[in-house]
Amino acid sequence: SQQGEEDPQALSIQEGENATMNCSYKTSINNLQWYRQNSGRGLVHLILIRSNEREKHSGRLRVTLDTSKKSSSLLITASRAADTASYFCATADNQGGKLIFGQGTELSVKP
Amino acid sequence: SQTIHQWPATLVQPVGSPLSLECTVEGTSNPNLYWYRQAAGRGLQLLFYSVGIGQISSEVPQNLSASRPQDRQFILSSKKLLLSDSGFYLCAWGRGLWETQYFGPGTRLLVL
Repeated sequence: SQQGEEDPQALSIQEGENATMNCSYKTSINNLQWYRQNSGRGLVHLILIRSNEREKHSGRLRVTLDTSKKSSSLLITASRAADTASYFCATADNQGGKLIFGQGTELSVKP
Repeated sequence: SQTIHQWPATLVQPVGSPLSLECTVEGTSNPNLYWYRQAAGRGLQLLFYSVGIGQISSEVPQNLSASRPQDRQFILSSKKLLLSDSGFYLCAWGRGLWETQYFGPGTRLLVL
């Protein structure tokens, strides 16, 4: 079955730097979503990008999608300590299948 | 605005005891509802989803069950808990099936 797999598993950067996380999946998708989870909390939706879209922005977030490579990236620009969290990608296939989450990237932003 | 509630926040239960976790959504009607479980440091595993009252789809065979007695209420249950049921249980709602999902705060369950 398809699965979003994030890379790297963990990332540590300094405040002000950019953070890039990647997600790869296996089958054709309807949409791909990125979520953030602070430790011990529920997930917060960040961006949904559809299979016919290549790039989306939301504030300091930029998501790209390359369906030919079956991959997506999440870029956080000018990171802040408050961006410290786990980031998950999730894919919904184009056969009406369920949303499948990857294992996440743990981002640490040091002040 | 819409809000989603889960309770309890934390639960410690002995093996073999029953379980009931409740999730309610406010500010929307006919939401799609989801139950996920998250093991420590891992991604989410979909357990159940519901597109309407009394309509439950099960994704993983296990000793858990779900019910949707009202439009905005989703309940996760077990008759006898196992050690392997320990984890972080998350409820979510969304408008379009498999579109953007909005998560509750979660319930941390420890089975001893």
